[in-house]
Amino acid sequence: SQQGEEDPQALSIQEGENATMNCSYKTSINNLQWYRQNSGRGLVHLILIRSNEREKHSGRLRVTLDTSKKSSSLLITASRAADTASYFCATERGTGANSKLTFGKGITLSVRP
Amino acid sequence: DGGITQSPKYLFRKEGQNVTLSCEQNLNHDAMYWYRQDPGQGLRLIYYSQIVNDFQKGDIAEGYSVSREKKESFPLTVTSAQKNPTAFYLCASRMNGRYEQYFGPGTRLTVT
Repeated sequence: SQQGEEDPQALSIQEGENATMNCSYKTSINNLQWYRQNSGRGLVHLILIRSNEREKHSGRLRVTLDTSKKSSSLLITASRAADTASYFCATERGTGANSKLTFGKGITLSVRP
Repeated sequence: DGGITQSPKYLFRKEGQNVTLSCEQNLNHDAMYWYRQDPGQGLRLIYYSQIVNDFQKGDIAEGYSVSREKKESFPLTVTSAQKNPTAFYLCASRMNGRYEQYFGPGTRLTVT
């Protein structure tokens, strides 16, 4: 079942603008992760935020987590054409051997040069 | 794509045939995963394995089988019982104690 739901489904922006992508989920989580996928390729891990954290930064990425609203947002600042890709949020539930990720359907980001 | 290889990149099969997708990792990761990706559906978990000789069903295991005889290898067999096998298949691995997963480049399977 799909735990994470990203919003919007597609986003088109101009190079240099900021891109904000949102993710909502339904049940309690251990952590939330964001991945990127270039067309026809595997996913690449971008950033992880734990359930007891509210905000994290990594380079041009900023992720926030609001567990009361069961939502997260990923901000990419000063976007580049190379940021064009699909972005997925994934929530981790369970512990130890039962721990697994559930992915959303993804957001397609297009950055126009 | 890290140290995970999937082969082949494209695979074509006739309906009714079983087919095995390869996944190998040299990252010394304990856990390995198979996902299926369909257009507009995101990734869905097929099977996963936390240690050698042990694996668990994911959300959509019907029509698939796996084995984990070696730490570095986690092959997936798509059987003739899988009703809609055409999809993009992704393998991933994870180190014990870490949360992020490392993905292979994927195999696009087309069954006609």
